[in-house]
Amino acid sequence: SQTIHQWPATLVQPVGSPLSLECTVEGTSNPNLYWYRQAAGRGLQLLFYSVGIGQISSEVPQNLSASRPQDRQFILSSKKLLLSDSGFYLCAWSLGAGARETQYFGPGTRLLVL
Amino acid sequence: AQKITQTQPGMFVQEKEAVTLDCTYDTSDPSYGLFWYKQPSSGEMIFLIYQGSYDQQNATEGRYSLNFQKARKSANLVISASQLGDSAMYFCAMRAISSGSARQLTFGSGTQLTVLP
Repeated sequence: SQTIHQWPATLVQPVGSPLSLECTVEGTSNPNLYWYRQAAGRGLQLLFYSVGIGQISSEVPQNLSASRPQDRQFILSSKKLLLSDSGFYLCAWSLGAGARETQYFGPGTRLLVL
Repeated sequence: AQKITQTQPGMFVQEKEAVTLDCTYDTSDPSYGLFWYKQPSSGEMIFLIYQGSYDQQNATEGRYSLNFQKARKSANLVISASQLGDSAMYFCAMRAISSGSARQLTFGSGTQLTVLP
């Protein structure tokens, strides 16, 4: 069966520091991968998605970036964190395409920027 | 653009009772998918149930069923025989496949369900 991992689980970082969040998927090949952010008490906002190695699409312009160095690895980065980057970051995977494509989420990373 | 509306910020239900969580959506796309996710306090989003716009029957998955009324653009989640472990935030989401951003799931603002013993 497929599993998705995220780390770290919790992170407290000062403003202006760099960021690297990692997501890995096991038990599947060539998944679609997604990064979402959830502000407190809100729904999810799609940040990036990837349909293959090195292929990244950005949905919201901001100071974050994403990379996919391996088939089942998705990394979210920032060179300089802002206070507004605080939130809950969720990685998700899916297979295929179309209306029925179901996304499965990881446990998430809680980021607090001070 | 797609939009999901969940009008119930919070709901309470007695254990073993059924509860309906409301979801209305807006899209001009004839082909779309509707999803419900559960988010417990731990934060993980758990997929519950899917309904396609062309599906003839309402989706069911164990104690979860989806009351799909296409003409009214509503996709309400029904949880039967509520359990204490059902207490969580519930999100309705939609994908319209012919839209410019077909990968994107559009989420509602969520409903916090509390099951009372």
